[in-house]
Amino acid sequence: DTEVTQTPKHLVMGMTNKKSLKCEQHMGHRAMYWYKQKAKKPPELMFVYSYEKLSINESVPSRFSPECPNSSLLNLHLHALQPEDSALYLCASSQVGPAQYGYTFGSGTRLTVV
Amino acid sequence: SQQGEEDPQALSIQEGENATMNCSYKTSINNLQWYRQNSGRGLVHLILIRSNEREKHSGRLRVTLDTSKKSSSLLITASRAADTASYFCATDDSGGGADGLTFGKGTHLIIQP
Repeated sequence: DTEVTQTPKHLVMGMTNKKSLKCEQHMGHRAMYWYKQKAKKPPELMFVYSYEKLSINESVPSRFSPECPNSSLLNLHLHALQPEDSALYLCASSQVGPAQYGYTFGSGTRLTVV
Repeated sequence: SQQGEEDPQALSIQEGENATMNCSYKTSINNLQWYRQNSGRGLVHLILIRSNEREKHSGRLRVTLDTSKKSSSLLITASRAADTASYFCATDDSGGGADGLTFGKGTHLIIQP
């Protein structure tokens, strides 16, 4: 299996809702990432997990809460989001250590906050 | 924060022509990678070049890296309509861990049939 699977593909949520984005990979990668991408902009790093531990938080607001239950799964819990949080959320995975290969990205969750 | 700039921001060429995109970055790197993104969906890894390499080929792709100028270029030869996409360079400055990639602003490539 050489894929990163993200669910759901689309999500519309109100500003008072709580929802979760899910990401799964079975490539044995021990680093997993969340990126946020606005239209016509490059992806921006949000969180990095290395060996299931949060290693980087790029000053992301607390209304975004990541979780890594095991080496194959990555969740992003959403609560009290704002309309400006509407974006494409991308999950990625990679090996830890000197890179031989690139990152593997999922196809993303397109989030709309209303 | 964004690592660097890519130019051009948009490029439109005829099918069969070659397309060249450039990327500049600011900090020292471990490697530089190029990705393709179709219609705002997931990114697909194209090629990785390490900081001690100067040129790399993969099929119709040719990547160069000049660490003294902190720049890279991606050449796509004999372009096809299916190459229409956004192309991003991304730098990895981790020394052996996993620090995440920093992406350039991207080039939107349109191949006219």
